Amino acid sequence: AQSVTQLGSHVSVSEGALVLLRCNYSSSVPPYLFWYVQYPNQGLQLLLKYTSAATLVKGINGFEAEFKKSETSFHLTKPSAHMSDAAEYFCAVSVGGSQGNLIFGKGTKLSVKP
Amino acid sequence: GAVVSQHPSWVICKSGTSVKIECRSLDFQATTMFWYRQFPKQSLMLMATSNEGSKATYEQGVEKDKFLINHASLTLSTLTVTSAHPEDSSFYICSARSGSPTFNSPLHFGNGTRLTVT
Repeated sequence: AQSVTQLGSHVSVSEGALVLLRCNYSSSVPPYLFWYVQYPNQGLQLLLKYTSAATLVKGINGFEAEFKKSETSFHLTKPSAHMSDAAEYFCAVSVGGSQGNLIFGKGTKLSVKP
Repeated sequence: GAVVSQHPSWVICKSGTSVKIECRSLDFQATTMFWYRQFPKQSLMLMATSNEGSKATYEQGVEKDKFLINHASLTLSTLTVTSAHPEDSSFYICSARSGSPTFNSPLHFGNGTRLTVT
């Protein structure tokens, strides 16, 4: 069965610092992996996705994530945090292929200090 | 940890019938619940936000008479797809926020419901 684990429910960084949000997955088949972001008072937005093409995936707002099969990880990074990046980030895995049901991690809240 | 139970996990119905999907918070009080629908390429569309005891707030373009949302208690919200059509076939997922409906409250997801309308 597929599952997703997000390490760290809350991450705080200074503006301009590296952002690293961790996500590990468990899947018996090649996974499709996603990062979603939820800004305050908004719905979820797709940030980026891995669908078995390039292992380094670039998303919106300068975020990227690298699929590492050996580590079963799909960590989200951004070189330099901006105040507007403060949000809640969710890692998800698709069950049953690219159009399958989504299973979400518990989320990581990112705070950015000035 | 907090658990959100969504039921059924999958349902097949005939065109013209109605389907009810339940979203329950099992060990916390869900003051706010969100209903999403999955579209191609994994994009999730927020359909509506419901606060316990009040009418749901629907997003632009979502037919409130077709997608009836009820949040009658702090542990249960339901989405009813009325007069379902094949184009309503999709993956629907709920999420629930405990405590105050703000950024600082944890958000928990159900496992989703795969609806197929024949």
